[in-house]
Amino acid sequence: DAGITQSPRHKVTETGTPVTLRCHQTENHRYMYWYRQDPGHGLRLIHYSYGVKDTDKGEVSDGYSVSRSKTEDFLLTLESATSSQTSVYFCAIAGADNQPQHFGDGTRLSIL
Amino acid sequence: AQKVTQAQTEISVVEKEDVTLDCVYETRDTTYYLFWYKQPPSGELVFLIRRNSFDEQNEISGRYSWNFQKSTSSFNFTITASQVVDSAVYFCASLTDSWGKLQFGAGTQVVVTP
Repeated sequence: DAGITQSPRHKVTETGTPVTLRCHQTENHRYMYWYRQDPGHGLRLIHYSYGVKDTDKGEVSDGYSVSRSKTEDFLLTLESATSSQTSVYFCAIAGADNQPQHFGDGTRLSIL
Repeated sequence: AQKVTQAQTEISVVEKEDVTLDCVYETRDTTYYLFWYKQPPSGELVFLIRRNSFDEQNEISGRYSWNFQKSTSSFNFTITASQVVDSAVYFCASLTDSWGKLQFGAGTQVVVTP
């Protein structure tokens, strides 16, 4: 299995609070991605990174920010969580931009 | 813009039946990649296959087979002699840009009953 760890695995929080999800990889892969999964939508890209300190927006980036200060860590932050951000969040990594992405086990986030 | 359509929301079969999952993609690019992923009830996403736009050769891997047809923009997936362990959500995805951004379909839930 690809060495990807997401933390926390589950989180319940209240509207308006900040939340940070962490993705840690041991594969030294250049590319990292954050997706959210919602019923009827499949997975949608939030943000991605193509190197340390190199990040860009995906399809559904509003309300989210990311940081990548080390190759192995990619953080996703909800500055002020809203109920619409209740979802399952997946991190993925890839060694090259056209290679299969391998996913972490997901974080189930509930915002009340 | 890319778009991936999986028109089948759910397919229910009895064990040992064959099941085919449809995937239609839209792209104006000449170079692109197509993927299938499996998400079992435990929730993890498992990579199954990748095809590039220059290789229309169909592939068989055990009970799985894939039919890629550029003429109809389809990349269909067949499970032969289905088993209960095949019960999962299957996602088709496409990739066209240089940053590896995947566009996923909505997924097809496959339910295999004994």
